[in-house]
Amino acid sequence: EPEVTQTPSHQVTQMGQEVILRCVPISNHLYFYWYRQILGQKVEFLVSFYNNEISEKSEIFDDQFSVERPDGSNFTLKIRSTKLEDSAMYFCASRGTGGSDQPQHFGDGTRLSIL
Amino acid sequence: TQLLEQSPQFLSIQEGENLTVYCNSSSVFSSLQWYRQEPGEGPVLLVTVVTGGEVKKLKRLTFQFGDARKDSSLHITAAQPGDTGLYLCAGVQRRDMRFGAGTRLTVKP
Repeated sequence: EPEVTQTPSHQVTQMGQEVILRCVPISNHLYFYWYRQILGQKVEFLVSFYNNEISEKSEIFDDQFSVERPDGSNFTLKIRSTKLEDSAMYFCASRGTGGSDQPQHFGDGTRLSIL
Repeated sequence: TQLLEQSPQFLSIQEGENLTVYCNSSSVFSSLQWYRQEPGEGPVLLVTVVTGGEVKKLKRLTFQFGDARKDSSLHITAAQPGDTGLYLCAGVQRRDMRFGAGTRLTVKP
């Protein structure tokens, strides 16, 4: 069964550095998402992406964050100048067409640790 | 502001017991999804409920969507240790989805 893959599984970065988290969504999916989950807390929506542009973003997704689909397979989340509070699990998800009720398929996440 | 409230936050029971967890909101959703998340993994979809009053069964799991499409419940019959995990509800509005904080279930053998 096709799955969403995320790399790296764990990223350790110094505060203030840029970090890029990578995701390969399921190949025929058209809607892409990033979520984050701070340890022990809820899964929080960051951004949705469709047709090469952001559809919606949350208040968490400020100017330090950006997303890109640089080619036909990858979907990336960039944090320009990381802060300690950016430490979290970051999940990528994708879904196919058929409406928002269709299931989102999640990757296993990237654990981002900011030192 | 918590869009979706899940209760209880933590639940620890013995194998064989029944349990119900709840997902409540003041907002109306076009649909509601239940996910289960294991440590170190992403959420995995269990079920989607779309119609107010809808009931769906998945083996020992029964999901219900409220008539007004604002709330949902998950009932597990004869819980097993393999049911241990974080159960998340997620409400779909417009084009995107928002999660509740989850119920962390532990089933002791």
